Amino acid sequence: QQPVQSPQAVILREGEDAVINCSSSKALYSVHWYRQKHGEAPVFLMILLKGGEQKGHEKISASFNEKKQQSSLYLTASQLSYSGTYFCGTEIIAAGNKLTFGGGTRVLVKP
Amino acid sequence: DSGVTQTPKHLITATGQRVTLRCSPRSGDLSVYWYQQSLDQGLQFLIQYYNGEERAKGNILERFSAQQFPDLHSELNLSSLELGDSALYFCASSHTGGNSPLHFGNGTRLTVT
Repeated sequence: QQPVQSPQAVILREGEDAVINCSSSKALYSVHWYRQKHGEAPVFLMILLKGGEQKGHEKISASFNEKKQQSSLYLTASQLSYSGTYFCGTEIIAAGNKLTFGGGTRVLVKP
Repeated sequence: DSGVTQTPKHLITATGQRVTLRCSPRSGDLSVYWYQQSLDQGLQFLIQYYNGEERAKGNILERFSAQQFPDLHSELNLSSLELGDSALYFCASSHTGGNSPLHFGNGTRLTVT
């Protein structure tokens, strides 16, 4: 039931864009996105509920394709501060409110 | 500062021992989650409580147990510790326990020697 994230890692130059994908084999209530910097706790970025709503946080946005049970996180005009590991978390309809995280995507933004 | 308090920050203990990790959720949050993160790995869901009741369970070992008290703080008990239990244990809280953001504490780093 763990969502699958891709890619596992990405290296960007400052100002470049990237997309991180998260997919589930189960029908979802919601998709969460968090960022964790090395040695720190994960920090909430945004939550997407059923309905395909797109959310934004600074120049980071996300979408949720309910039909495909997939979510994508868009890093636009990346900044050095975007470096970290991004985790998607999913709440599966058949599993109540259990929030299960994917394996993470490591993002490194270089000057 | 997320408002979630975890104690202790670090814990070093020997194999076979028992430890208790404590978590105080953000003011107003009713739900508490526990996650285990091994070195440079993902977040493994252990268990979730909502207003004192167990709501969801992950792949939590039988040697591990948890509870949420009437004042909403939570404790995670780990017993018969093994080397492989060494990890960072995160507590997170959310307001409703579903479809709401999780706010993570700074974690307790457990080292089993």
